Amino acid sequence: DVKVTQSSRYLVKRTGEKVFLECVQDMDHENMFWYRQDPGLGLRLIYFSYDVKMKEKGDIPEGYSVSREKKERFSLILESASTNQTSMYLCASSLLGTGFGEKLFFGSGTQLSVL
Amino acid sequence: SQQGEEDPQALSIQEGENATMNCSYKTSINNLQWYRQNSGRGLVHLILIRSNEREKHSGRLRVTLDTSKKSSSLLITASRAADTASYFCATKHIDRGSTLGRLYFGRGTQLTVWP
Repeated sequence: DVKVTQSSRYLVKRTGEKVFLECVQDMDHENMFWYRQDPGLGLRLIYFSYDVKMKEKGDIPEGYSVSREKKERFSLILESASTNQTSMYLCASSLLGTGFGEKLFFGSGTQLSVL
Repeated sequence: SQQGEEDPQALSIQEGENATMNCSYKTSINNLQWYRQNSGRGLVHLILIRSNEREKHSGRLRVTLDTSKKSSSLLITASRAADTASYFCATKHIDRGSTLGRLYFGRGTQLTVWP
């Protein structure tokens, strides 16, 4: 089974801190994604990556950056955390292309609270 | 955003009843997927239906797709308390982002099944 692992289940940070959220997948997937999920707003895409060192902005990239130095790892960085970034962050991965690769595999999520 | 919209937002039924959730979208799709999320966890892929398919079954799940109405429905038959979760539709469109693997998620339907 594909496993997508997010480094922290719960995280509490202070306003202005630099925050790193890590995600690792073990199935050699090309695509990796970072979503945030807020009540009533569903899942919104922050950034995604379709290859090492390649990244694409999603719908809400402001205040975030990402890093993909290795195929299995995709990091989300909050350069200066703010209270409006308190949210559930979900990482996902998928194969590039059609067929089996079209479905996403999600991690368990990181609930981030910024105080 | 090409976000799908689920309807209803919340659904409450008794065990043994059928649950029907609907999803509408705005622009042409390549495929539509349904995901399930247990409270506070990541999403799990349930079923995928392609734009040239009209109906698909998987166990107690039945998905229909009407591309002329830009809508889909997910039917869960003989529901169980363990089916209690949020259900999301996700669409893959004919655009550059989707070619690279991104999906567009709706806000979800919260299903509660009472024993």
